[in-house]
Amino acid sequence: AQSVTQLGSHVSVSEGALVLLRCNYSSSVPPYLFWYVQYPNQGLQLLLKYTTGATLVKGINGFEAEFKKSETSFHLTKPSAHMSDAAEYFCAVSDPSGGSNYKLTFGKGTLLTVNP
Amino acid sequence: GAGVSQSPSNKVTEKGKDVELRCDPISGHTALYWYRQSLGQGLEFLIYFQGNSAPDKSGLPSDRFSAERTGGSVSTLTIQRTQQEDSAVYLCASSRGVSSYNSPLHFGNGTRLTVT
Repeated sequence: AQSVTQLGSHVSVSEGALVLLRCNYSSSVPPYLFWYVQYPNQGLQLLLKYTTGATLVKGINGFEAEFKKSETSFHLTKPSAHMSDAAEYFCAVSDPSGGSNYKLTFGKGTLLTVNP
Repeated sequence: GAGVSQSPSNKVTEKGKDVELRCDPISGHTALYWYRQSLGQGLEFLIYFQGNSAPDKSGLPSDRFSAERTGGSVSTLTIQRTQQEDSAVYLCASSRGVSSYNSPLHFGNGTRLTVT
């Protein structure tokens, strides 16, 4: 069974500061990894994903994440926070083996607040 | 183009009543998913459709929950004899294919269900 742990249910940063949202996973095989963002009263939107290849992946809105197999981590970063980045962020995994890679297992989410 | 549409956006119902939640996926998307987002929790997988068939219903929490999809398009999630613990945001997503490798999920804005 897979699981996802997001450290910190709430992260607060100042505008222009580094954003770091942590995600660790538990999986018997290297999973596919995803970050989604949810703005208030909206559905989830894919920020970026890692499936194979380069372990540093870049997404929309200046976000990037690095897959570190040895640490079972997929932390999300952005060098300089904008007010518009305030939202809830979800890390998710899927199992690429077998026939169930359609199913995503999500973390509990991290609410990002950006202070002026 | 149009995204995933869910209705109603909000639903308040009395304990014991039945409710129906509707999802209109993106045209041409063969896969459709229902997830539940409870307060303070991540997203919980409920059911997955490929066309009109539901190969995976493993996430439905009890036999009070059922879902169908018709015409390879619209899906309805029905909750019978609602309980207070059913209160949550129900999210629908669709994807062009069934692999999370190359078919990202597109989420609707959700239906917020409150059982009083």
